[in-house]
Formats: sequence, C-alpha cells, structure tokens
Amino acid sequence: DAGVTQSPTHLIKTRGQQVTLRCSPKSGHDTVSWYQQALGQGPQFIFQYYEEEERQRGNFPDRFSGHQFPNYSSELNVNALLLGDSALYLCASSRDTVWEQYFGPGTRLTVT
Amino acid sequence: DQQVKQNSPSLSVQEGRISILNCDYTNSMFDYFLWYKKYPAEGPTFLISISSIKDKNEDGRFTVFLNKSAKHLSLHIVPSQPGDSAVYFCAATPHYGGATNKLIFGTGTLLAVQP
Repeated sequence: DAGVTQSPTHLIKTRGQQVTLRCSPKSGHDTVSWYQQALGQGPQFIFQYYEEEERQRGNFPDRFSGHQFPNYSSELNVNALLLGDSALYLCASSRDTVWEQYFGPGTRLTVT
Repeated sequence: DQQVKQNSPSLSVQEGRISILNCDYTNSMFDYFLWYKKYPAEGPTFLISISSIKDKNEDGRFTVFLNKSAKHLSLHIVPSQPGDSAVYFCAATPHYGGATNKLIFGTGTLLAVQP
C-alpha cells in the first residue's frame, strides 16, 4: 500500500515565478491538507481540500491556491514567488472524520 | 501567537533510559493531540494520539499523558533506542463538527539517544 507521495522532491525557482506541487493521498483517504515548514519551525497549515473544495484555510495570502481532483490527488500552486516562500511543503492525507493525518516526504522549494 | 509550545529544543538520553518530551498548549478548544516523529529529508510520521476525554494512551514503548487542567501533554519513550533519534513534534486540533481538522504544530524537540 503506497503512502502519500509528492512530486517533485526538490525545486529551484526565481522570484516572481509560479510553481505547482503535486500530491497523491494514501489509498482510501479523501482529504488532503497542505503545510509549509520553514527551517527550525513546525509545519504551518496552508489549506485543506475535501470533495474537490477548499474546506479550511490558514493564514496564507491568495498567492497560495490549490485544487483537488476526482481521484483525491491535489495540487498546490504558488504565484509571484518570494524569497520567504522557500520552505519544505508537506502534503498530508486522511479519511474525513478521522483525526490522524499521514504525511508525504515533502517538496523542498528554494526561491532565489 | 504560538498556541502549541515545545520549550525544549533538544534532549539527550542514554539508550535504555526513559525519554520524556513535553508540550504545552494555550487554546482550550483543542480536542485531540498527536505526536509525530520526523527524520531528516522525510515527512513527519504519526506516532500516537490522545483524545481530550482521556488522560493516557499507550502503544508499545510510547505513552502519551494529557493534563487538561494544566494544558500540558508529554510523550514517554521507554526504553529509548538509538533509532528513536529524530525531531518530535506535538500537534493539536480543535473539534469542529467531527470533520478532519487542521493540525497546529509546536516547533519540535530534537531527541538524541546515545548508545
């Protein structure tokens, strides 16, 4: 049983560019959450998708947007990249109404 | 505003001894608490959780204790093994209608288990 997968593993972008990160949830999971982890910090909640809709959103600007597909996979898009967007981006999946979330290995984004 | 706090950035323990990792929270709406372990270059791995209606949950070498009145929880690892060396994150989530909810994480504690 494959766990949560994310692509790409690493990414280097220039300020002002746009980036798309991808996530496939664990089999049987229908809810996908995205988190940003800066160096030395705990993961910070960006948003959550359920039934192809954004259900919750953390304190992130509109430059951060997402999508969930009918097969429950998800994308995170970030526009107009800033140096401060450099971080590890984590995807977590879960079954709705279940508290535990399972994380993928993350995508390391570097903005230069 | 840091709602979940792990005040010890690091902890060093001898193999075979007990490791105790601590976590404090400020939001009384938090209803469920989780511990995750993270190795470098990997995502956090779920370890153990506890509901606010309990004060203890045990899974093998791992036990989580919850003191609601003090808004404090702790993770005990007995006996500690070198493979337990990792960053441990405490996370909390509020109860909103039973749906899976966002996790609020602490800043983590780096545990080093010395052979």
